[in-house]
Amino acid sequence: EIVMTQSPATLSVSPGERATLSCRASQSVTNNLAWYQQKPGQAPRLLILGASRRATGIPDRFSGSGSGTDFTLTISTLKPEDFAVYYCQQYGGSPRFSFGQGTKLEIK
Amino acid sequence: EVRLVQSGAEVKKPGESLKISCKGSGYSFDSFWIAWVRQMPGKGLECMGIINPRDSDVRYSPSFEGQVTFSVDKSIDTAYLQWSSLKASDSAMYFCAKTVAGTGLGWFDPWGQGTLVTVTS
Repeated sequence: EIVMTQSPATLSVSPGERATLSCRASQSVTNNLAWYQQKPGQAPRLLILGASRRATGIPDRFSGSGSGTDFTLTISTLKPEDFAVYYCQQYGGSPRFSFGQGTKLEIK
Repeated sequence: EVRLVQSGAEVKKPGESLKISCKGSGYSFDSFWIAWVRQMPGKGLECMGIINPRDSDVRYSPSFEGQVTFSVDKSIDTAYLQWSSLKASDSAMYFCAKTVAGTGLGWFDPWGQGTLVTVTS
């Protein structure tokens, strides 16, 4: 079973600064990795697919990198609307899909 | 615009049955698998499994096998999540999401708005 581990659990960053979120898989998922943003009371929104491709309509301040077991989501210049919970998800392994436990990005 | 619209919030008693829905629009509904995702209060996302609307092929995640039933009605572009006997521990927000064609192994986009299920005596 592939277990996804995100770090840190909570990240405090000031608007205008850079945020770096990490996601680690317990075994290789190649590049079958997505990132989602979830704001309170809303459904998750796809940000990144294939580890590094931005989904349609996602601003270029969001970028994804990594392959195999270690992945990173970077938000280059934080805007107020970026403070949310972020989840990584592997697809294609066993079980077919698994999410990380989430990183809460909060305003410092 | 590709959209998934879910049925409204439900309040049920333990032991009751429930079926919630997810209606797709703006795309060829039977060409893309639908995923169901649970989010318990204050917790993260758990994938319950996926269903292929074309032939109703279902892949349950191990934790949910035998606990829920997925189904579809292609004639009205709607997927369903069903419980035969609810428990208090089923109280959660449930999301549907469109996944990819072919094997269904892919990212989830877009998501429905969610259906809140509350099970209380």
